[in-house]
Amino acid sequence: AQSVAQPEDQVNVAEGNPLTVKCTYSVSGNPYLFWYVQYPNRGLQFLLKYITGDNLVKGSYGFEAEFNKSQTSFHLKKPSALVSDSALYFCAVRDRSYGNNRLAFGKGNQVVVIP
Amino acid sequence: DGGITQSPKYLFRKEGQNVTLSCEQNLNHDAMYWYRQDPGQGLRLIYYSQIVNDFQKGDIAEGYSVSREKKESFPLTVTSAQKNPTAFYLCASSQDRAYGYTFGSGTRLTVV
Repeated sequence: AQSVAQPEDQVNVAEGNPLTVKCTYSVSGNPYLFWYVQYPNRGLQFLLKYITGDNLVKGSYGFEAEFNKSQTSFHLKKPSALVSDSALYFCAVRDRSYGNNRLAFGKGNQVVVIP
Repeated sequence: DGGITQSPKYLFRKEGQNVTLSCEQNLNHDAMYWYRQDPGQGLRLIYYSQIVNDFQKGDIAEGYSVSREKKESFPLTVTSAQKNPTAFYLCASSQDRAYGYTFGSGTRLTVV
């Protein structure tokens, strides 16, 4: 089984401050991990992914995420938030086991960046 | 450019009608997926297909049907048996497990 938890419904942050969106996961084996962003009435856009290698992954629009195996976490971060970062953010996981081609998504976090 | 095209962007359905949402991809991806999104409920999987002429039910398949006659196309029919179809519907495709999904821009279905 695979699942994702995004514990906060909404994250409020002042423009220019660091932004963190939390994600923890559960898989039987080793994970592939992904972050997506969704703007209103749009599809999900890929931000970054962890497959293997360096635990710190850098992605689009200045975002990065750190894979922590011991804490089963993959938190999304941005050093300085912009008003345009206000959106819905989804974390997703896929177990590496053969034949598993489905992603499990978290429920999403609404990020509000306050000018 | 390669991508996924969902049409129409907005769709209105009368009570008791079947409607079909289109999803076409030119990414040469094997797997395709349909999700339903409601406010505060995240993404819920309706159906998915890993190969042409084969598909599986997801978590909320009741009241929906799909076909996968071509690799590029994965249409979703919302039948009259779906009692609460008003939602945002997202189609996605994937090539392999390490790739993640590519999403379409969605169809907003409203019952009138």
